Amino acid sequence: AQRVTQPEKLLSVFKGAPVELKCNYSYSGSPELFWYVQYSRQRLQLLLRHISRESIKGFTADLNKGETSFHLKKPFAQEEDSAMYYCALPQGTGKLIFGQGTTLQVKP
Amino acid sequence: KAGVTQTPRYLIKTRGQQVTLSCSPISGHRSVSWYQQTPGQGLQFLFEYFSETQRNKGNFPGRFSGRQFSNSRSEMNVSTLELGDSALYLCASSRGGDQNTEAFFGQGTRLTVV
Repeated sequence: AQRVTQPEKLLSVFKGAPVELKCNYSYSGSPELFWYVQYSRQRLQLLLRHISRESIKGFTADLNKGETSFHLKKPFAQEEDSAMYYCALPQGTGKLIFGQGTTLQVKP
Repeated sequence: KAGVTQTPRYLIKTRGQQVTLSCSPISGHRSVSWYQQTPGQGLQFLFEYFSETQRNKGNFPGRFSGRQFSNSRSEMNVSTLELGDSALYLCASSRGGDQNTEAFFGQGTRLTVV
């Protein structure tokens, strides 16, 4: 079965430290993966997607098919990055399989 | 443009009752998906509608149903409510072209079953 795993429920770092939010998936084929983010009191929104290969708000994510991972990285964390982050795998149209989410806490 | 709108924002219902939640997608979006979010299970897909047809369905019992109208607005119904149905129900809309299309989420309806 297709599955997305985010092993860390909480990741706490200091401002300016590097951040890596882990995401592993199980999927047969070439997956398209997304990272969604939910800031406090805001709705869930797309942060970035593999197909775009772009950097958003300093975050990047590289698909590693050998390790079946799509980790989200940022070299220098900012306090405004504190939020809940979800890795998601599309399964057909209109359906996303989400990981359990990781809360990123950036301390001053 | 206006985002995805879900009504009502909060609901309290009694076990055994039924409930209807509403979702108005972004103008021009033809796909509407529904998700249940709970602390234990996280975000789980319920179903997706496109042009008034259910295209995709998750693993939820038949008590959970939905529909979509010609203006793309969607409703979700839960019958014979159980305590375990207490959750945040999220609706997401997209253009619906393919699976890589960005989904835009509403703020959710918080359902509490007592």
